[in-house]
Amino acid sequence: EVQLVESGGGLVQPGGSLRLSCAASGFAFSTTWMSWVRQAPGKALEWVALINHDGGQKYYVDSMKGRFTISRDNAKSSLYLQMNSLRADDTAVYYCARDSGWGRTDCWGQGTLVTVSS
Amino acid sequence: DIVMTQTPLALSVTPGQPASISCKSSQSLLDTSGRTCLHWYLQKPGQAPQLLIYEVSSRFSGVPDRFSGSGSGTDFTLKISRVGAEDVGVYYCMQGIQAPRTFGQGTKLEIK
Repeated sequence: EVQLVESGGGLVQPGGSLRLSCAASGFAFSTTWMSWVRQAPGKALEWVALINHDGGQKYYVDSMKGRFTISRDNAKSSLYLQMNSLRADDTAVYYCARDSGWGRTDCWGQGTLVTVSS
Repeated sequence: DIVMTQTPLALSVTPGQPASISCKSSQSLLDTSGRTCLHWYLQKPGQAPQLLIYEVSSRFSGVPDRFSGSGSGTDFTLKISRVGAEDVGVYYCMQGIQAPRTFGQGTKLEIK
């Protein structure tokens, strides 16, 4: 069974950092592109970042460039999102998702909640 | 960045009646490979999004055939032939032709 399980969310103060993890199973993680997508409370989905199968290509939405870093460890079948200089408007549920080609995001984790507040 | 515009933003449908959602992109989503990188997702209340339709018109595994997608270039439509209670949620279109990927604003479907 294809499965994605996020972890690492929680409450963090403005300006703080957090590292999200996503454990993948049930598919060939090392050959698959992966994404992070977030959803602020009551808002629409917002794509965050994309990484290719070997980590050599990374893409970000402009508002997160320089603050967020996507990475992966294929030996551990894990995806990561390092988030620095967090702001209140980064408060959201963060989803890990599998990108199966041409942007087809066909498997999603259950999400992990990040709350940025003092 | 490619802007995705969905209409309407909300729908209230009687069970058994059809529903239609439009999605327009600011640029063509036709890839050099010949594929059109437009996908539809449904987010049911309290759940993660799920893929419904990929590449304009292909239903994802397990998706009922009452869901259909059509369109080309920059104009796309998702249709539900007979809406049921299980179809309640927010529907999103998303472009996958370039990064950053972008979603539409979402269309909230409720049952009358």
